[in-house]
Amino acid sequence: DGGITQSPKYLFRKEGQNVTLSCEQNLNHDAMYWYRQDPGQGLRLIYYSQIVNDFQKGDIAEGYSVSREKKESFPLTVTSAQKNPTAFYLCAIDRDTEAFFGQGTRLTVV
Amino acid sequence: QKEVEQNSGPLSVPEGAIASLNCTYSDRGSQSFFWYRQYSGKSPELIMFIYSNGDKEDGRFTAQLNKASQYVSLLIRDSQPSDSATYLCALPARNQFYFGTGTSLTVIP
Repeated sequence: DGGITQSPKYLFRKEGQNVTLSCEQNLNHDAMYWYRQDPGQGLRLIYYSQIVNDFQKGDIAEGYSVSREKKESFPLTVTSAQKNPTAFYLCAIDRDTEAFFGQGTRLTVV
Repeated sequence: QKEVEQNSGPLSVPEGAIASLNCTYSDRGSQSFFWYRQYSGKSPELIMFIYSNGDKEDGRFTAQLNKASQYVSLLIRDSQPSDSATYLCALPARNQFYFGTGTSLTVIP
């Protein structure tokens, strides 16, 4: 059963803590994306990767980091430099020009 | 100027009515457009895409594209309470996807 798996579904971060959000896909697609969604602001691109070992900053990359060591995996780290990380994070692939999403991770700062 | 502009609503329609959702886009060279539905707390799911000028129908959904005026619309006929969700329009450009802010639709029984 092919798809995109994001984990965890819910994540709580303390002030000053780094956390990593997982995104794994078994659809064998090259391009992967991380979006952040806040109420009333649509989806904003954080980082994207077109191929293994390469990634590009999106519109709101500050305070985030990524890696793409394997085709199947594109983890996102929310660092302590991200001052307002509470949001819904969505991982997506480019599936034949369509953006196809994982189920999302809701991150909350406590 | 944003790539995609969308009226955030909210939009309320009675059950059985037609719901009309609209987006405008800035790049005249854009070729393809997508409509996503997003239920509260869930990720967006694709419901329609359109490449050509004119209308494209799929069940109760009709996507309309007018390249001369640079707008794309989604019509939902015979609206049902299960259609209550946020609808996002999107287009691919420069190695990413650009999304509108979404229109919140409520269908009132």
